[in-house]
Amino acid sequence: KQEVTQIPAALSVPEGENLVLNCSFTDSAIYNLQWFRQDPGKGLTSLLLIQSSQREQTSGRLNASLDKSSGRSTLYIAASQPGDSATYLCGLQGGSEKLVFGKGTKLTVNP
Amino acid sequence: EAQVTQNPRYLITVTGKKLTVTCSQNMNHEYMSWYRQDPGLGLRQIYYSMNVEVTDKGDVPEGYKVSRKEKRNFPLILESPSPNQTSLYFCASSSFGGRIYGYTFGSGTRLTVV
Repeated sequence: KQEVTQIPAALSVPEGENLVLNCSFTDSAIYNLQWFRQDPGKGLTSLLLIQSSQREQTSGRLNASLDKSSGRSTLYIAASQPGDSATYLCGLQGGSEKLVFGKGTKLTVNP
Repeated sequence: EAQVTQNPRYLITVTGKKLTVTCSQNMNHEYMSWYRQDPGLGLRQIYYSMNVEVTDKGDVPEGYKVSRKEKRNFPLILESPSPNQTSLYFCASSSFGGRIYGYTFGSGTRLTVV
């Protein structure tokens, strides 16, 4: 059974700092990994999707990497802004059609 | 705009009163799914559907029903809601089971059962 862990559970940084969010998983047989952003009480917004054959994806200030052999993914946020404050979730799709999620990292960027 | 639409956004109901949460997508996706999100437990899959008339249980299906009579719609039915079904619910859809393009989520339905 796939288990997904996100560390840390919460992170507070000053504006402008570069930061890394971590996602680890136990089963490397995955189709893809998707990073989402969730604002309080809101829906999930897809940020980046990495196929199992890919090593990384970039969108603006965001860069996500995937290392299946070590069971890890990272989401790198450059030059963080207060508007980046949200909970970040990673979801993995393995042999079944469902996404298995970590419990998220709550990010606070302080002005 | 490509999207997954859930209604209602907020719902307060009483124990035992049947309710339906609707979900509709305009992307012609084959795959649709329902999740619930609870503090400390994260997101858990309730039911999913691979296509019209094809549905199956997820991890926490007890107390829920679904139907898929049309490709675009996937309603979640609570026949006799109980307080432990108070949660934030999300509908999601994808093409090819999400393997290529990932999943699109709705904005959520916050359900309170008193």
